[in-house]
Amino acid sequence: DQQVKQNSPSLSVQEGRISILNCDYTNSMFDYFLWYKKYPAEGPTFLISISSIKDKNEDGRFTVFLNKSAKHLSLHIVPSQPGDSAVYFCAARSSGNTPLVFGKGTRLSVIA
Amino acid sequence: DAGVIQSPRHEVTEMGQEVTLRCKLISGHNSLFWYRQTMMRGLELLIYFNNNVPIDDSGMPEDRFSAKMPNASFSTLKIQPSEPRDSAVYFCASSFRRDTIYFGEGSWLTVV
Repeated sequence: DQQVKQNSPSLSVQEGRISILNCDYTNSMFDYFLWYKKYPAEGPTFLISISSIKDKNEDGRFTVFLNKSAKHLSLHIVPSQPGDSAVYFCAARSSGNTPLVFGKGTRLSVIA
Repeated sequence: DAGVIQSPRHEVTEMGQEVTLRCKLISGHNSLFWYRQTMMRGLELLIYFNNNVPIDDSGMPEDRFSAKMPNASFSTLKIQPSEPRDSAVYFCASSFRRDTIYFGEGSWLTVV
């Protein structure tokens, strides 16, 4: 059973528009959430995170929103750029130095 | 600063052969994670260590898989004997306490 779900395997967005990537989780013990970005033939790289005590975290063009009651988080990229085309993984962890649990990823294609 | 270093980057081996994947942690990190990425299952955790001690190996698929940390900065993941279904990208990642985890570039394994 998947504890972190990314239900959209792929997403296409036009350059300049907003990209919204969604993630749902089932484990109420999760208290820290991250987004990773992965280019082909490279390892995942950290993008942005959010603690469960917040509902929003912003870093430049990237904003993560957390809705704890719905067990849902989303990553917004505004404006989207062709270089944002990659696979985006949602990840979550519970307290302590526990490992991250990843979703299966969403492939974002930003079309020029 | 050097990131997580994995070797080999690519390995093609015949079924039944032993495969050893290597990982060097980021200096100062005390947690080590081995993940495997496949199309079907996404990024799945195989095993993780805290301070050289294996904490959870429940993700290791079979007894054919073993992992060690002979010292604080190095780890190996061994598959013996290898099978075609082991073909995947194997990622090593490290972190310090609850900090973000950092991934290596992966070892692409093909078992024929």
